[in-house]
Amino acid sequence: GENVEQHPSTLSVQEGDSAVIKCTYSDSASNYFPWYKQELGKRPQLIIDIRSNVGEKKDQRIAVTLNKTAKHFSLHITETQPEDSAVYFCASTNSGYALNFGKGTSLLVTP
Amino acid sequence: EAGVTQFPSHSVIEKGQTVTLRCDPISGHDNLYWYRRVMGKEIKFLLHFVKESKQDESGMPNNRFLAERTGGTYSTLKVQPAELEDSGVYFCASSQSGVGELFFGEGSRLTVL
Repeated sequence: GENVEQHPSTLSVQEGDSAVIKCTYSDSASNYFPWYKQELGKRPQLIIDIRSNVGEKKDQRIAVTLNKTAKHFSLHITETQPEDSAVYFCASTNSGYALNFGKGTSLLVTP
Repeated sequence: EAGVTQFPSHSVIEKGQTVTLRCDPISGHDNLYWYRRVMGKEIKFLLHFVKESKQDESGMPNNRFLAERTGGTYSTLKVQPAELEDSGVYFCASSQSGVGELFFGEGSRLTVL
């Protein structure tokens, strides 16, 4: 089955700096790549997603890039704020239904 | 609009006992999913319902796990008998048709002693 590797497992940045989380996937048929954010004690929530026919997508301070040839995709958060502190999960799927998640990145933004 | 709700939020049981987790999806969402996160590991897919039918149950670990969605509304996930390795957070999610956002519940934390 699909294997999704996510790095780093923990990331600490100062407020205002950028944060980058990287994921690689193994199934070349994967065509949908969402990112979920889970704040402590809360439910995972979709923050951005990208489909395989697009190389980059941006939403305010958040952007995702996809390199299909290398089979990796990345989450970029600019001008980080303390409320960005959370666990971030990348995922991929070739079916649209059964998401394959990475192990998560715990991001800490210090004031 | 109410989100996906799960019950109980936390359950502590002894090895060999039975536990039933419940999920109420967002009204009108035909697709319902169960996922599980074992401590420190990735969130793993368990199964997918479309209305009351099991569309994909390839992620179910073994026959101690039974999921149902009678009437195509809420779903239950029963673990019987529970083993130590079943401990983790069980997430339910729902979605409308097609590829897109999954709406997750807050999860049911299961601790098997």
